[in-house]
This record gives sequence, structure tokens and C-alpha cells, in this order.
Amino acid sequence: SQQGEEDPQALSIQEGENATMNCSYKTSINNLQWYRQNSGRGLVHLILIRSNEREKHSGRLRVTLDTSKKSSSLLITASRAADTASYFCATEDNYGQNFVFGPGTRLSVLP
Amino acid sequence: ETGVTQSPTHLIKTRGQQVTLRCSSQSGHNTVSWYQQALGQGPQFIFQYYREEENGRGNFPPRFSGLQFPNYSSELNVNALELDDSALYLCASSLAVIGGFSYEQYFGPGTRLTVT
Repeated sequence: SQQGEEDPQALSIQEGENATMNCSYKTSINNLQWYRQNSGRGLVHLILIRSNEREKHSGRLRVTLDTSKKSSSLLITASRAADTASYFCATEDNYGQNFVFGPGTRLSVLP
Repeated sequence: ETGVTQSPTHLIKTRGQQVTLRCSSQSGHNTVSWYQQALGQGPQFIFQYYREEENGRGNFPPRFSGLQFPNYSSELNVNALELDDSALYLCASSLAVIGGFSYEQYFGPGTRLTVT
């Protein structure tokens, strides 16, 4: 079964609102990464957070990691229509031999 | 634009045939990974190559094989195609010191494979 599971599966918000997506995983990890994908095209890296980090920021993005709960969250503040995309979390296992994506959250930001 | 290119963009094959997909990594990147993404799902890791050696493999059968060349371009080969192989195939490159996934991956736009 997949390591990462995003929640919710789909999210629809108004422009200017904040969007929060959650990710859970099952085994120990080296790091957790978030990616964005527009309409079945290539993925774009957003943030990498290592297992010994608890929070990272990048522009309007804020990622948290709770290794005790095996969960992470991605917060997008002041959302824009251009943020409409699918968002995936992915985890690297402790051996650096496997990289597992969750099924993704489809975010729609309405103007 | 990430600098990672893939060819072809689209491909239609018949069940039982063989296919080769190509990827040109971003300049200077020594690690390439391949992923299969079925419609509406997250990408699934197929395998990774680091300095021309396989460095990790997901849950895919041996009929999925790959190569990485000295210029860090790579190929994904799939033999005996099945209908379930229809998917978007993505390659991603990174500058990982010892391979693995501890660095940002740069994805190509993908090759859409349809098996009929």
C-alpha cells in the first residue's frame, strides 16, 4: 500500500483564503517532500523537510512535520487562482532506496 | 521549465509490444528516477539510476528496465506491454551526492503511453 495518504482528496476554496492539506505516512522516513502538478503535466518541487525538522516556510507555503504522528501538513496562504493544481506528498525511506507518493489533493481556487 | 526533457510526448502501442522512452536530465545532474502515473493517482516509483548503476527499485516486474548513459541521459524500456501499462511516465533528475531522494527532483513533462 502507498506510504503517503493526502487528506482531503479534493478542496475548493475562494481566492484569498488559506488552503490546508494533510499527509500521513506509515514507516520511518529520511525526508518528506511536497510537489505540485498542473493538469497531468510534470511535477514541480515545493518544499523538502527532513525528519529532524518540524517546520519550513517558502513564500506563501508553510510545511509542518510531526514524526511522532507520522504526519505532515501543507498550508498555502492567501491562495490565488494559479494555485489550482494537484498537490502530492512523497516520502524517502530510511535507506534512500524508495520514494513513495500519496494519491494527492486536488485544489481548486475560485476567482 | 526544469531543463528535463522527455521523448516522445505521446505514444500508442499494442499489447505485447516493446517500448523505449527517453529522458534528458538537467545539466550536471547525476541521478535520474522514473515514475509511472496512472490517471487520477500519484506517481509510483519504478527505479532510480545513479552514475549509470541502478540505485533502488519500486514494485515493478523485470520487464521494466532502464539505462543511464555517461552524459546522464536515460531510457526506460518496457517489454511485453500490458493494457495496465497505459499511464504517464515521468522522469526526474537531481544532484544527489550518493543517489537517493534527499535533494529536490526536477521532473520532465512526461510521456503519455497508451496500450491498446
